[in-house]
Amino acid sequence: GAVVSQHPSRVICKSGTSVKIECRSLDFQATTMFWYRQFPKQSLMLMATSNEGSKATYEQGVEKDKFLINHASLTLSTLTVTSAHPEDSSFYICSARDSTSGFTSEQYFGPGTRLTVT
Amino acid sequence: AQSVAQPEDQVNVAEGNPLTVKCTYSVSGNPYLFWYVQYPNRGLQFLLKYITGDNLVKGSYGFEAEFNKSQTSFHLKKPSALVSDSALYFCAVRARNSGNTPLVFGKGTRLSVIA
Repeated sequence: GAVVSQHPSRVICKSGTSVKIECRSLDFQATTMFWYRQFPKQSLMLMATSNEGSKATYEQGVEKDKFLINHASLTLSTLTVTSAHPEDSSFYICSARDSTSGFTSEQYFGPGTRLTVT
Repeated sequence: AQSVAQPEDQVNVAEGNPLTVKCTYSVSGNPYLFWYVQYPNRGLQFLLKYITGDNLVKGSYGFEAEFNKSQTSFHLKKPSALVSDSALYFCAVRARNSGNTPLVFGKGTRLSVIA
């Protein structure tokens, strides 16, 4: 089946620093990837839709200058949390849909990245 | 606007008993419906989906779900629960004519199977 990887799985950083999270589709091409954030015991909150070769589309309330998304290839999207603060601590999950499978395809999810800002 | 409701935060069931996790949806037109499972500190794993055809959909690990258009429901079921089924379950929906838009998720239901 389709596999999505994320790196790192866990990261601890100091307040004010930036952290980059990578999301890769390993065996399929993804024109579009999605970034979610999940708080403890809560559902997934869509942050942005990442489109290969173009700017990401951010959901209302998500700061585009703080959460920088780059989708430079059909298999890689990155999320950079800039000037991180403790309130940015969360579980970040990326997701991708196989570009060749049409819109009926399920989304495939990465294993998530646990970010802790101290 | 699309939305999903999972009315139960928590479902408890004894091992070996049948389980049901409820989901209702709201979407313009016909839906694509999905169920995912999440284990602690992990991403979501796909269980099953309804696209078209038979209303009863069979998926991974013995799970199945029934699409009921009149009740706008897509409840997840399993005839005999296992302790290993204990996890967080998410229902999700997309409208059929919504292009390449992301899934909209319910808030999740925590299933606890007790030995």
